[in-house]
Amino acid sequence: SQTIHQWPATLVQPVGSPLSLECTVEGTSNPNLYWYRQAAGRGLQLLFYSVGIGQISSEVPQNLSASRPQDRQFILSSKKLLLSDSGFYLCAWSVPRRNTGELFFGEGSRLTVL
Amino acid sequence: GDSVTQMEGPVTLSEEAFLTINCTYTATGYPSLFWYVQYPGEGLQLLLKATKADDKGSNKGFEATYRKETTSFHLEKGSVQVSDSAVYFCALRKSYNTDKLIFGTGTRLQVFP
Repeated sequence: SQTIHQWPATLVQPVGSPLSLECTVEGTSNPNLYWYRQAAGRGLQLLFYSVGIGQISSEVPQNLSASRPQDRQFILSSKKLLLSDSGFYLCAWSVPRRNTGELFFGEGSRLTVL
Repeated sequence: GDSVTQMEGPVTLSEEAFLTINCTYTATGYPSLFWYVQYPGEGLQLLLKATKADDKGSNKGFEATYRKETTSFHLEKGSVQVSDSAVYFCALRKSYNTDKLIFGTGTRLQVFP
């Protein structure tokens, strides 16, 4: 069966420090991958979307970047964190080309920038 | 732009009470609509969906009907259980050829025995 792992679960970082959140999917090939963020009082916002290695679409302008160095690995990064980067980050995957609208989510990473 | 609006929580109910969580949407065209649920300590998972007007999605005793005239997709359950305590997210998909979803803010449901 397919599983998705996301880490770290909790992170407290000072303003201006770098960030790396990692997500891996097991049990499937060539998944579509997503990074979502939930800021306080707001809905889940799609940040990045990837259909394959090295193929990243940015959905909103921001201080973050994403990379997909391997088929089932998706990394969210920042060189210098801002206070506004605080939030709950969720990685998700979906079956490519099936387009059912079903996303499979990790448990999330809570980032606090101080 | 496209958006989803959910009622604010938390919603607090006694076991066996009737549940309604309101969801309305703004979108052009004919979006598909979804409810996702996040149980404590777990990732979001799909609860039910509807892909066209007047469709009813159902699962685990939950139901929601796609109402185009009121642009709504309210979640209902006739008799909630303590195990239904979770955060519920309404979402829309604008195009049939993508899995990119637009989510609401989520509504926390707390059910007490």
